[in-house]
Amino acid sequence: SQQGEEDPQALSIQEGENATMNCSYKTSINNLQWYRQNSGRGLVHLILIRSNEREKHSGRLRVTLDTSKKSSSLLITASRAADTASYFCATDVHQFYFGTGTSLTVIP
Amino acid sequence: GAVVSQHPSWVICKSGTSVKIECRSLDFQATTMFWYRQFPKQSLMLMATSNEGSKATYEQGVEKDKFLINHASLTLSTLTVTSAHPEDSSFYICSALDPGTRSPDTQYFGPGTRLTVL
Repeated sequence: SQQGEEDPQALSIQEGENATMNCSYKTSINNLQWYRQNSGRGLVHLILIRSNEREKHSGRLRVTLDTSKKSSSLLITASRAADTASYFCATDVHQFYFGTGTSLTVIP
Repeated sequence: GAVVSQHPSWVICKSGTSVKIECRSLDFQATTMFWYRQFPKQSLMLMATSNEGSKATYEQGVEKDKFLINHASLTLSTLTVTSAHPEDSSFYICSALDPGTRSPDTQYFGPGTRLTVL
């Protein structure tokens, strides 16, 4: 089964604004991770949140997890042009399934 | 769809030996492949980007002399863990980009290789 479906598929904002992306999954998890990918580059791990956590912060990133709704959100505050990338979520399945991601464009 | 295989799927070796892991794109040509490692219950960590016909680009903190990457053809990249030690025990996963599709940035993941160093 597919794990990790992100929405929206594309998001375009002005520099300085906040960007929120959502992720939904289907089965029980131990943890959920968010990654970013710049075009043609590898996935870079951003943050991991465990199933017993509801919110986690890392710099300008804030991740929430709602296990009852099987969903997570990634908030990037005070966005910068360098945040332009695709963002993916993934759960702790043995074989990684990534959704199509959210393509974020931050306009300077 | 694009299929990526890895060989072996698991390997156990003695400390001090070298282990080679292969990553193959079965039905497409991959100019770019990526190598990740994953510790138990942790996230994927990008180790290096493997480009066909050129030297790999390593992420900060990854020893290039320890983890040798060779991308000699458009369908094969190899990762050699040299002089392996128990702390190298991990799950190694490769992925490949298929530039011939509508989604050239989509990564196709291999099934992973479980390395255990005794």
